Amino acid sequence: DQQVKQNSPSLSVQEGRISILNCDYTNSMFDYFLWYKKYPAEGPTFLISISSIKDKNEDGRFTVFLNKSAKHLSLHIVPSQPGDSAVYFCAASAKGGATNKLIFGTGTLLAVQP
Amino acid sequence: NAGVTQTPKFRILKIGQSMTLQCAQDMNHNYMYWYRQDPGMGLKLIYYSVGAGITDKGEVPNGYNVSRSTTEDFPLRLELAAPSQTSVYFCASSGQGLENTIYFGEGSWLTVV
Repeated sequence: DQQVKQNSPSLSVQEGRISILNCDYTNSMFDYFLWYKKYPAEGPTFLISISSIKDKNEDGRFTVFLNKSAKHLSLHIVPSQPGDSAVYFCAASAKGGATNKLIFGTGTLLAVQP
Repeated sequence: NAGVTQTPKFRILKIGQSMTLQCAQDMNHNYMYWYRQDPGMGLKLIYYSVGAGITDKGEVPNGYNVSRSTTEDFPLRLELAAPSQTSVYFCASSGQGLENTIYFGEGSWLTVV
């Protein structure tokens, strides 16, 4: 049962345009969402997060939107740059407990074409 | 500041062999994790620890063991390697709480033949 789904395995975008990466979740207990970026042969690195009390969080070129009713979040990258080419993982965490245990999606490979 | 350090980076094991993946962090984080990533899949949590002496199972613990004798170290033990354990393993650490960033190591590529 895949609780966090990234239905697009890959996305190709021209440099300077907007990249939109999508993520859907099924568990209504999730209340914190994160995006991680991963380059080949490296570990994932944190990119941006959003709490369920918000519907938007912005950090420079990166904006995450959360639609709780649709159980959907998206990551917007504007403008896209070749260095943004990487695999992007969506992750979610449920409330409760003393630990943060993330459920990851399968990732979307973003290719930004110069 | 090295962050999260994993060793070895690459290893080939024969079926039935045992090995330990080492993980150390220098950020004084209480929380540490082991994930595995199979091709085309997301990261799956194997085990985690909320502090020295405390460990708990994640989504996919079978075939693995962990220990946490110090805050810094969180080794992952494979007792009887199986081909299904061929994967990339990531150690990670974080402070306490949902809003603390999880920092990952660079990964350990393990092949069981």
